[in-house]
Amino acid sequence: DVKVTQSSRYLVKRTGEKVFLECVQDMDHENMFWYRQDPGLGLRLIYFSYDVKMKEKGDIPEGYSVSREKKERFSLILESASTNQTSMYLCASRGLEQPQHFGDGTRLSIL
Amino acid sequence: ILNVEQSPQSLHVQEGDSTNFTCSFPSSNFYALHWYRWETAKSPEALFVMTLNGDEKKKGRISATLNTKEGYSYLYIKGSQPEDSATYLCAHYNAGNMLTFGGGTRLMVKP
Repeated sequence: DVKVTQSSRYLVKRTGEKVFLECVQDMDHENMFWYRQDPGLGLRLIYFSYDVKMKEKGDIPEGYSVSREKKERFSLILESASTNQTSMYLCASRGLEQPQHFGDGTRLSIL
Repeated sequence: ILNVEQSPQSLHVQEGDSTNFTCSFPSSNFYALHWYRWETAKSPEALFVMTLNGDEKKKGRISATLNTKEGYSYLYIKGSQPEDSATYLCAHYNAGNMLTFGGGTRLMVKP
């Protein structure tokens, strides 16, 4: 079974902090994704990556950056956290012609 | 802006009832339609990947149909059980390899 692991289930940070959310997958998938999920807005794509060192903006990239130095790891970075970034963050990976496999999510609160 | 719409947003049914809900999506540039099941405190899990107009897929008591010409998919649950309570997400893949999620239908099955 595909395993997508997010480093934290719950995280509380302060406004202005630099926040790192880590995601690791064990199936050698090329494609990895970061989403946020907010009530009434569904899953919104922040950034995605098709390969190592490659990144593409999704629908809501503002305030975020990403890093993909190794194939199995895709990191989401909040450069200077703000309260409107309080949300549930989901990482996913996908092989060719396959559905997405999701991690358990990180519920991030910015105080 | 979500151009993948799911209805209803939420649904309460009694155990044993059969139910269905809808996903509508742009019919142009269609590539695939995914259905996911997202239980509270767990990660979304893929139910179906549908690619051809007229596709019907079934997994136990859950089935789905696809109409790519008019841009909709139905998900059916026969004889709902409390363990079916979850949010059901559909996601539309277009030919540009972009996956867009709907807002989800939250199903609650009362024993």
